[in-house]
Formats: sequence, structure tokens, C-alpha cells
Amino acid sequence: AQSVAQPEDQVNVAEGNPLTVKCTYSVSGNPYLFWYVQYPNRGLQFLLKYITGDNLVKGSYGFEAEFNKSQTSFHLKKPSALVSDSALYFCAVRDGSSASKIIFGSGTRLSIRP
Amino acid sequence: DGGITQSPKYLFRKEGQNVTLSCEQNLNHDAMYWYRQDPGQGLRLIYYSQIVNDFQKGDIAEGYSVSREKKESFPLTVTSAQKNPTAFYLCASSIADRNSYEQYFGPGTRLTVT
Repeated sequence: AQSVAQPEDQVNVAEGNPLTVKCTYSVSGNPYLFWYVQYPNRGLQFLLKYITGDNLVKGSYGFEAEFNKSQTSFHLKKPSALVSDSALYFCAVRDGSSASKIIFGSGTRLSIRP
Repeated sequence: DGGITQSPKYLFRKEGQNVTLSCEQNLNHDAMYWYRQDPGQGLRLIYYSQIVNDFQKGDIAEGYSVSREKKESFPLTVTSAQKNPTAFYLCASSIADRNSYEQYFGPGTRLTVT
């Protein structure tokens, strides 16, 4: 069965420093991976996806994610954090049993201090 | 939050009453979804629909019902049988395309039942 894990409930980073939010996955077949961001009392916003191609995927708001097949990871990164990046981040993987279903991780709260 | 609207933003009901949450999209997406989000938890799938007049149960369908009479609309009814209905409810939609499995979310409805 497909699954995705976010091992950190919270990540704290100083503004201007690089940030990484970790995600590992387990799938049968080729992985289709996603990152979403959620601001307080709002819906989720799509950041980026990996389906095939380059292992480094670029997305919205300066975020990028690195797909690593051998480590089954899809970590979200940003070279220089902004206070406005503080939010809840979800990693997700397509459910192989149904093409349109996505399985979400438990979320990581990112806090950027000024 | 794009072309997906959810109404109302906040909803209050007494225990024992059924309540219907609205979800409308103008993105011409085939698939639509309902998720429930509780504090400190990820998203759990309630129901999803890939085409009009068809829908499938998700992981936590008990106590909920849906209909999909029009492509644009996917209302969710929280029935009195749902034992713990207070939560943040998110609607999403997606294209049924093998290169575009990402889902787009509405702003959410926060339901409080007392």
C-alpha cells in the first residue's frame, strides 16, 4: 500500500537560512509525489509535483524538492527562508489503487523566526 | 483557493441535526473530493467522485453522504450519525489526466456541533 511519512512535526528556522522539510514515501510502481502548503484557516495550496524527469523539481514561492529514489525521499527545500513561509506543509503521494486519489502525510509545521 | 468555493466559512449546528456543506468548482475538473482535517492531524478522505452520478467512499465515510448531480457541485451532508462532526472540512477537485494528478482545494468550512 502507498504511504507517505513526515518525520518532523515541527521545523524551526531563522529567516534567511536554508530550510528543509522531510518526506519519505513507500509506493509500488512509479511514485507521483506532491507538496502542499496550508496557511491558518485556509485550504491547501499546491506547491510542486514530481512525476518523472529531473530529480530536482522547482515550484511556487521559491520552493524546490529533491526526489531521491534510492532513499525513497522527496524533501522540500528553500535556499533562504522568509517569515511568510511559516505554515503547515503536507507531502502527498498518489494512491496506486485509484489514479485520482492522493494520500497525505501528517504535516510539518514550519516556523521561521525573524 | 482558485475556482473552488465552499460555503459557509463557519457553520454552527446543534447535535442531532443534519447539515449540508456546499462545494462548487468552475475549473471544469472531473474529479472532486471531501476531506476532514482535525487539529494536529493530516487530511482524511471522506468521499470522492470521478464522474457525475458516481462517487466512492473514502477512509472515513461513516456518518456522511454526498451527491454528484452536476459536474460543478459536490455537496457533503454531515448526518446525525456522525459521532464527532466538529472539524475543518475541505473540498478539492482535480483533472483526470495522467500528468496532472494534483488536487486544488477550496478555502474550507469549519463546522462546530454542540
